[in-house]
Amino acid sequence: NAGVTQTPKFQVLKTGQSMTLQCAQDMNHEYMSWYRQDPGMGLRLIHYSVGAGITDQGEVPNGYNVSRSTTEDFPLRLLSAAPSQTSVYFCASSYGVSGKDTQYFGPGTRLTVL
Amino acid sequence: SQQGEEDPQALSIQEGENATMNCSYKTSINNLQWYRQNSGRGLVHLILIRSNEREKHSGRLRVTLDTSKKSSSLLITASRAADTASYFCATFLSGNTGKLIFGQGTTLQVKP
Repeated sequence: NAGVTQTPKFQVLKTGQSMTLQCAQDMNHEYMSWYRQDPGMGLRLIHYSVGAGITDQGEVPNGYNVSRSTTEDFPLRLLSAAPSQTSVYFCASSYGVSGKDTQYFGPGTRLTVL
Repeated sequence: SQQGEEDPQALSIQEGENATMNCSYKTSINNLQWYRQNSGRGLVHLILIRSNEREKHSGRLRVTLDTSKKSSSLLITASRAADTASYFCATFLSGNTGKLIFGQGTTLQVKP
């Protein structure tokens, strides 16, 4: 199993550009989530999904969209990037629909918005 | 403000010493989890303790949970240089909310 994979590893955007961060898992996990990590702020939950077709907001959802058309994939879209979205983004998944089980994290995407 | 607050923010010890990190939280939880993050890497799960448990062990790790004080501690015994990392607590809120909320983390440096 590849586990949780994220692409790209690094990305530089200009203010106002859009992009999609990809996340995929091959463990047949129902629960997937996106976090951002900023220095001194720990990890903050952006959006999460308890299964295909179901998504919900986390702590900091503004400026981000998600969709879950398949169990395996959970892309995160930035519609109009802002410098405040410069961060490291982590995708995670877990067995079961509640999200209360052990989370498996991807390696992260480091995003810089100029 | 965040659900989990960790203390201390940074900790520096000598190899062989014990390291203790504390986590406090604000609302009722279903479980509390501890994760480790090596510099520039993703997080790795260490241990999960449920709200009806008071203590769990895993190798050199010991986790306690006091729901009356809304706090947890992670003890790493006989630390090694390889334990150098950031450690995060994360709480899963009661009521099947689907949200796992992380604290700000403790950065541990173990000097050889």
